[in-house]
Formats: sequence, structure tokens, C-alpha cells
Amino acid sequence: DIQMTQSPSTLSASVGDRVTITCRASQIITTWLAWYQQKPGKAPKLLIYKASTLESGVPSRFSGSGSGTEFTLTIGSLQPDDFGTYYCQQYNSYPYTFGQGTKLEIK
Amino acid sequence: EVQLLESGGGLEQPGGSLRLSCAGSGFTFSTYATSWVRQAPGKGLEWVSAITGGGSTYYRDSVRGRFTISRDDSKNTLYLQMNSLRAEDTAVYYCAKESLGDSYIDYWGQGTLVTVSS
Repeated sequence: DIQMTQSPSTLSASVGDRVTITCRASQIITTWLAWYQQKPGKAPKLLIYKASTLESGVPSRFSGSGSGTEFTLTIGSLQPDDFGTYYCQQYNSYPYTFGQGTKLEIK
Repeated sequence: EVQLLESGGGLEQPGGSLRLSCAGSGFTFSTYATSWVRQAPGKGLEWVSAITGGGSTYYRDSVRGRFTISRDDSKNTLYLQMNSLRAEDTAVYYCAKESLGDSYIDYWGQGTLVTVSS
């Protein structure tokens, strides 16, 4: 199975900050990577797919980059509604696997 | 508009069985791959099983032989038959639809809670 490792596990930042979350795959997945945001008690929400393609309706302050095994999710200017837990997920092959999550708190 | 609505969760004893259902609307099940993803209380997301548009099935190792994914195209409904339940199967189970072609998950249901406890 492909292991996905996210860092950091928790992150506290202020409104307006630039935030970066990193995801590493245990083997090459080209750009078959998605990012999701999950808020407490809710289903995950798709933010980014194919490593860097912004899902329709997602604010442009979210961006993704990377290929191969190293990927990043960047929030350009943090907003109060951006709190939650962020997950990366590889869909290169089954079994699909998720990173352990990054919990983002707003200071 | 795509919608996914899970049902069938509840409390079951270890060794027991449950069948989850996921009713879909706004798309044709037989065209898309659909998955079950679970989340144990306070934990991260864990992919469980998938069925492709063509009917091929896939499972994570820890549920293979105990869980069976299936669908009824006439009812646009996805199922997960869970047998020999264990305490570690306790989780919210989400039904999810994959995109056509790229296979990322683009829609999620609201989830149904399965609790395995004596």
C-alpha cells in the first residue's frame, strides 16, 4: 500500500497568514493527489485534485503543487472559515490512502 | 445535483452483521466508481472498499473476506455488507462518488455511524 505522510499534524496561524501543509507519498504517484478539508461533524470537502487543480467553487487562496512523491497545499491568506482538518489522499491505485491529517486552528 | 444518502448504521455486537445502504441521485451509479470511506471517532479518514463502473471490487486488507460491496443500478443504490464485525470497525461510514476518468472523490454523503460493542 502507498503510505501518505502529512506534516505538520497541527498548525496554529493568524488571519492573513500564508499556510503550507506538506504531504509525502511512499512511492511515485505522479499527480494523482487530492486535498480535502473537513470540519467537525461534517463530511470532507474536495479542495484540490490532480495535485494542483482547484475544484469549482473553492476560493482561489487555496493552491496545490507538487508531483511524484512531494506535494504541498498552500492557503495564500488565511481566513477565519479555514479552520478544520486537512487531508491529502492518493488515488493512483487502490487501496486509496489518506494522510493522517493536519488540524488547522485559527489564533 | 449529486446527492448521496447513507443509512443502516447502528449498534451491533462483535461478530454480528450490518448492511449499509447509500442512495444516490443526480448521477448514474453504473457509470462511476463509488467507495466507502470510514472515520473512527477522533481519527483520520480510512478508505474501505470501492466498486468501479464496470463492477470490479476492491477492499482494504483488514476488511477483505468480511465486507462485501455491491450496488443495485436499478435503484441507484450502493451497499456494504459487513459481517464478523469487530470493535475496530466502529466508525462513521461515508459513501463517496469518484469522478469520471481521474478517479478522485468529488462527492461525499453525510455518513452513518456504526458502533460495534457488547
